Amino acid sequence: GAGVSQSPSNKVTEKGKDVELRCDPISGHTALYWYRQSLGQGLEFLIYFQGNSAPDKSGLPSDRFSAERTGGSVSTLTIQRTQQEDSAVYLCASRPGGAGWNTGELFFGEGSRLTVL
Amino acid sequence: GDSVTQMEGPVTLSEEAFLTINCTYTATGYPSLFWYVQYPGEGLQLLLKATKADDKGSNKGFEATYRKETTSFHLEKGSVQVSDSAVYFCALGKAAGNKLTFGGGTRVLVKP
Repeated sequence: GAGVSQSPSNKVTEKGKDVELRCDPISGHTALYWYRQSLGQGLEFLIYFQGNSAPDKSGLPSDRFSAERTGGSVSTLTIQRTQQEDSAVYLCASRPGGAGWNTGELFFGEGSRLTVL
Repeated sequence: GDSVTQMEGPVTLSEEAFLTINCTYTATGYPSLFWYVQYPGEGLQLLLKATKADDKGSNKGFEATYRKETTSFHLEKGSVQVSDSAVYFCALGKAAGNKLTFGGGTRVLVKP
């Protein structure tokens, strides 16, 4: 498809387990973002990738969270030793690289809903 | 740091009612402002945007004007439909920044 694809759409795991969430951005988009949407909360920025530059990890809430982007395309967000407070919808977005927001917008996937029991 | 504040929901309206969702921001410089909408079961999508002061963004009958003097970007629609039921997010992006900063979202429910 032409949009941002995320998998799995739903994930239920037990506390303490590791999970991996996958994002396939729109082809040709060099910028990729992960956001988290907790119940009743807004979108919380987690991490940003742009081309071959070092990622902006400033939003990762703890060292249990990590993300990588292979070949400038697919990205995986990994949460180790999951906690109940990690339960949320994890959103991936991409956009064409380039300067500023005057012409750019974020294209979002439908998200991966994570439930930690 | 930059922040966006929007009115808490849920907002419940009858069809054909007037909708306003307040959004104010705090940011240095001259951000671009956005409204995103999340329909049930779908991903967020851009509704409208404004890139400089006094610009008006519009789409699908919705409008918002970038007011620098009041640091606001309120969303309005004159006559809502049931299909407008969704969560609406206000956001800002800085020209030199890497990310959009979002407000908390406002859930709107339009009843027939």
